[in-house]
Amino acid sequence: DAGVIQSPRHEVTEMGQEVTLRCKPISGHNSLFWYRQTMMRGLELLIYFNNNVPIDDSGMPEDRFSAKMPNASFSTLKIQPSEPRDSAVYFCASSLVRTGGSAAFFGQGTRLTVV
Amino acid sequence: LAKTTQPISMDSYEGQEVNITCSHNNIATNDYITWYQQFPSQGPRFIIQGYKTKVTNEVASLFIPADRKSSTLSLPRVSLSDTAVYYCLVGDNTGGFKTIFGAGTRLFVKA
Repeated sequence: DAGVIQSPRHEVTEMGQEVTLRCKPISGHNSLFWYRQTMMRGLELLIYFNNNVPIDDSGMPEDRFSAKMPNASFSTLKIQPSEPRDSAVYFCASSLVRTGGSAAFFGQGTRLTVV
Repeated sequence: LAKTTQPISMDSYEGQEVNITCSHNNIATNDYITWYQQFPSQGPRFIIQGYKTKVTNEVASLFIPADRKSSTLSLPRVSLSDTAVYYCLVGDNTGGFKTIFGAGTRLFVKA
């Protein structure tokens, strides 16, 4: 398996523009997570899905952020409009939730720079 | 979710065994303890997970006392490439196994 695949790896955009980050989870996994990492705030959980349904989006910082999971093999995180403070590395992770514990597997991340 | 407390940083030398302890006093009955490793510019990588007693895999061992209020990640004979941030998490499978990261422990292995 190729693991969790994120695209793009790097994104530089101007303030006010729309940004869409993409994620393909590991096949067969039933949970998907979006995280944001910065030096100041560490790894923050933004939202997570279980069986394509958003379970908890309390970490989404503002209405400018939205996430979708139209099917089990694809998810997007959209920022509209983007702001410089959104600059961070965004990680997507997936896991197979089952009895006996589970582990999240992370993608390589998307480094977003908003200028 | 149970809060975790771990040292901010640790130093070690190549070849030594490193033990990183995590406190989770409010761990719930259904919670599992999971450790991740993160290198710069990469996503966290799962190391080991356990519920009680001892778990061992090819990378590390995890020791969990009977009261489960703490856990210790043990890395045998570390090398320079083990320099990374190590995160301790606790959580259960309810509603999709919400995975929250704390600040982690920055391990620096010296030659």
